[in-house]
Parts: sequence; structure tokens; C-alpha cells
Amino acid sequence: GQQLNQSPQSMFIQEGEDVSMNCTSSSIFNTWLWYKQDPGEGPVLLIALYKAGELTSNGRLTAQFGITRKDSFLNISASIPSDVGIYFCAGPVNDYKLSFGAGTTVTVRA
Amino acid sequence: SQTIHQWPATLVQPVGSPLSLECTVEGTSNPNLYWYRQAAGRGLQLLFYSVGIGQISSEVPQNLSASRPQDRQFILSSKKLLLSDSGFYLCAWRIRGGSGNTIYFGEGSWLTVV
Repeated sequence: GQQLNQSPQSMFIQEGEDVSMNCTSSSIFNTWLWYKQDPGEGPVLLIALYKAGELTSNGRLTAQFGITRKDSFLNISASIPSDVGIYFCAGPVNDYKLSFGAGTTVTVRA
Repeated sequence: SQTIHQWPATLVQPVGSPLSLECTVEGTSNPNLYWYRQAAGRGLQLLFYSVGIGQISSEVPQNLSASRPQDRQFILSSKKLLLSDSGFYLCAWRIRGGSGNTIYFGEGSWLTVV
């Protein structure tokens, strides 16, 4: 089945920094999704990408659908304390299921 | 707009006791429904999904079962809980047949088996 490798596994970032995380797949995806999970809550969709090469922003977040369709990147600009959480990438395995990355845990140093 | 609710939010259960977590979706019809489990600080593990009433697909053989008695209701159950069943359980839904693949999650239920 399709495997998603998400990196880094965790990161400590300084408030105000720009940071980046990525996700790679062993197979081609036609959709890439990025979720954020705040502590003790369910994941919330941040950005959805549907086209190779697509670059989409949501506030300080920017995500890109890789041209090869096997990778995606999420960038956070000017980090703030509320960026703390776990970020997941995901892509469709079939019409019913998503494959999720293992997550990137972000901790912000004030 | 669509909403998803699951309950209870938190529960502590002794080993060997039964479990019932309930999830309902509002504002949509014929959704695909999902149960995920997340161990502390870990990723999301798909447990069950359903594409219709009474239709349940199990992803991981284990001590749990799922049922879908109504179109927008999804229940996660166990007859006898194990310590290893502890975790954060998430219900989720997706538009069936939609062009997008987005799954939307509920608030989650913390289960501690003692």
C-alpha cells in the first residue's frame, strides 16, 4: 500500500521563525491534504491540494503539491505560540480511505 | 453546514468492562464514516470505516467492533476492554462520491483503561 513518510518527526522552533516540513509517498497521489491537531482535539484541515505544482496559502501557512505528485511541503511563516501541535499530511489510498503521515510535532520556544 | 459530534469526551474504564463510543454527523446524507485511534503522541490508525448502514470494514483485527445502525450514526464498542485499548479515539466523516478526498474529524474521546 501507499506509504507516507513525513519529516521531521518533531521540531522546536523560535517564535518568528519560518519553518518547513514535508511528506513523500511511494506512489503518486492526486490529492494532498495537510491537517493540524491541537493538543486534546481532533485534526483540522488546513490546506487541500488537488493539482501537481499547486501552491496554496492559508494565512501564514503555504503548502505545495510536488510536480512528481509524490511529495508535498508545508511552510509556516513567522511562527507564533499557537502554531504548537501535530501536523499531518494525508493522501487518498482509494475512494474510501486516506493514508496519513506519522505527523510532525511542533513546539515553539517563546 | 456539516457537523460531527462524538461522546463521551473522556472516560476511564476498568479492564474487562464494556465500551461504547458514539458519533453522529449532521448536515449531510450518506457519508462515509470512520473510527481512528491515536496512541499518545503517535499517528492515526484507521480502525473501521463504513460506506453505508450496516456496512462495516475492519482495518485492524482487535478487541473492538463498530456498528452503523443509522445513516449518520457510528458506534465503536468493546465487550471487554484491555489495557492496550487506551488511547484517543476519533470519529470522522467524508462526503461519499465527492470530488475531494477530505476527511473531517470529531473532537475525539480519551479512553483510559485501568
